[in-house]
Amino acid sequence: KAGVTQTPRYLIKTRGQQVTLSCSPISGHRSVSWYQQTPGQGLQFLFEYFSETQRNKGNFPGRFSGRQFSNSRSEMNVSTLELGDSALYLCASSLAGSRGLLSPLHFGNGTRLTVT
Amino acid sequence: DQQVKQNSPSLSVQEGRISILNCDYTNSMFDYFLWYKKYPAEGPTFLISISSIKDKNEDGRFTVFLNKSAKHLSLHIVPSQPGDSAVYFCAARALNSGNTPLVFGKGTRLSVIA
Repeated sequence: KAGVTQTPRYLIKTRGQQVTLSCSPISGHRSVSWYQQTPGQGLQFLFEYFSETQRNKGNFPGRFSGRQFSNSRSEMNVSTLELGDSALYLCASSLAGSRGLLSPLHFGNGTRLTVT
Repeated sequence: DQQVKQNSPSLSVQEGRISILNCDYTNSMFDYFLWYKKYPAEGPTFLISISSIKDKNEDGRFTVFLNKSAKHLSLHIVPSQPGDSAVYFCAARALNSGNTPLVFGKGTRLSVIA
C-alpha cells in the first residue's frame, strides 16, 4: 500500500509570493491533517479536512488555507509568504469515523519550504 | 500555551542500555497518547500508543507508561540500538471531546552511542 505522498519535496520562494503544497493520502484514508514543523517548535497543527470539509483549524493566520478534493487529495496554500513561514510542512492521513479516532496519523515525508 | 511538553531536548544513551524519554501534559481532557519517531528528511512514524484506561503498553523493545495523576508519560526503549537514534515526539488527543486534533510536543533527540 502506498504511503502518504507530498509534492514537491523542496521549494524555494521569495517573500510576498504564494505557494501551494499537495498531499495524496493513503488509499482509503479520508481524513487529512497538515502540520508545520520549525526548529525547536515541534509539530504545530494547521488544519484537518474530512470529506472536503475543514473539521479543525489551528492557530495560524488566514494566509494559510487548505482544501480537500472528492478523492481525498488535499492542498494547502500560503499567500504573501513571510520569512518565518520557512518550515517543513507535513501532511498526515488517517482513517475516518470512530475507528479514525484511535487510528494513528500516517505522515508523508513533508515539503521543505524556504522563503528568502 | 504548550499542552504537551518534552522538557529534554536531547538524550544520549549507550547501546544496549535503557532509553527513557519523558513527556508531560497539562490538558486533563487528554485520554489518548502516542509516540512518534522521526529520522531526518522523513516524516514522523508511529511507534506506540496508550489509552488512559491503561497505565502500560508494550510492543517489543518499546514500552509506554502512563501516570494520569501526574499527567506524565514515558517511553522506554530496551535495549537501545544505534538505529533508534532519531527525534521522538510525544502526542496527545482528547478522544472524548470528539474530533480534536493530535497535539505534539517539541521532541527529544535520542542519540544511541555504539
